[in-house]
Amino acid sequence: GAVVSQHPSRVICKSGTSVKIECRSLDFQATTMFWYRQFPKQSLMLMATSNEGSKATYEQGVEKDKFLINHASLTLSTLTVTSAHPEDSSFYICSARYEGGNTEAFFGQGTRLTVV
Amino acid sequence: GDSVTQMEGPVTLSEEAFLTINCTYTATGYPSLFWYVQYPGEGLQLLLKATKADDKGSNKGFEATYRKETTSFHLEKGSVQVSDSAVYFCARTDTGRRALTFGSGTRLQVQP
Repeated sequence: GAVVSQHPSRVICKSGTSVKIECRSLDFQATTMFWYRQFPKQSLMLMATSNEGSKATYEQGVEKDKFLINHASLTLSTLTVTSAHPEDSSFYICSARYEGGNTEAFFGQGTRLTVV
Repeated sequence: GDSVTQMEGPVTLSEEAFLTINCTYTATGYPSLFWYVQYPGEGLQLLLKATKADDKGSNKGFEATYRKETTSFHLEKGSVQVSDSAVYFCARTDTGRRALTFGSGTRLQVQP
């Protein structure tokens, strides 16, 4: 199956700093990528939909100025958590899909962010 | 809106027991349905899928049938193993967009 690579897998940062998470589709072109957030022992909540070459679409309640999403190419989307705070600590997962049809989404390995 | 409801866990079984994890979905549009598995500290892996009514998805001994009449997609396995211990998520495609809506997840613990 298609491979989505997410980096880093774990990151610890200090409060007030920014962290960038990369999501790459390794063997296919993904016009659309999705960013999810998962709190401990909870389900995945969609944060935003990332469209190549245009602005991301954020879900209600997600601060777009805090969670900056850039989708500069058909194989790369980045999520930057700006001015991170301990409450931003979470598991962030990206996914990407082929164009067209009801195909499954391919998920990255996830990034565990810990803000201290 | 779109939603997916899963049975709450954790589900604790002995090795070789029969597994059922219930999943129901809202009947909006014509969704595709999925089961994903998440092992500790890892991302999600697709376990199986079904794209239309009466389809049966299967993989690694797991099965689920797309039941439109009951809006269900229950996950079953005849004989679980310790290595099946993980969190299982039921999901459907969103109506009108291409993201997925996930259930709350069900933790399965298989004891030797």
